[in-house]
Amino acid sequence: DIQMTQTPSSMPASLGERVTISCRASQGISNYLNWYQQKPDGTIKPLIYYTSNLQSGVPSRFSGSGSGTDYSLTISSLEPEDFAMYYCQQYDSSPLTFGSGTKLEIK
Amino acid sequence: QVQLQQSGAELAKPGSSVKISCKASGYTFTSYYISWIKQTTGQGLEYIGYINTGSGGTNYNEKFKGKATLTVDKSSSTAFMQLSSLTPDDSAVYYCARVVTTVALFAYWGQGTLVTVSS
Repeated sequence: DIQMTQTPSSMPASLGERVTISCRASQGISNYLNWYQQKPDGTIKPLIYYTSNLQSGVPSRFSGSGSGTDYSLTISSLEPEDFAMYYCQQYDSSPLTFGSGTKLEIK
Repeated sequence: QVQLQQSGAELAKPGSSVKISCKASGYTFTSYYISWIKQTTGQGLEYIGYINTGSGGTNYNEKFKGKATLTVDKSSSTAFMQLSSLTPDDSAVYYCARVVTTVALFAYWGQGTLVTVSS
């Protein structure tokens, strides 16, 4: 199985700050990488698909990039509702696998 | 609007089975696959598999073969997952999700069902 390593596991940040979350695959995944947000109540929604494509309804402050084994999710200016957990997910190989998550916390 | 409504929390004994449901609304049920995902504190998010809601065909993560069985009832737009031979390791929150197959994106998620396995 492809292992997805997210860093950092937690990140304190301030409103208005620009933050970047990293996701590294144990082998190349050809940009087959999605990102999700999970709120404290458990609600999960997709943010980015195929590395850099913004899911419908997601604010433009979210963006994704990367290639090969290294990918990132950037939030350009943190809003209060952005403090949550973030997960990457690869779909290059079966089984689909997720990163271990990054908790974005208020500093 | 698309909604996936899951059944309530389950408390089950080791060795027993549970069947959780995921009722879809707001779209044509048979037009999208449904996947199931397990979430635990220790293992994070784990992909269980998917069901083709039109044909009933299934595909499982090898890890969950023999553990999970996915079915659908098209008449009620409901997907089901049965977990068998439960052990404490099966205690988790289980999510169903509607899949965009072209990019393997879980575009809509249920609210999750907590399964607790304890004697």
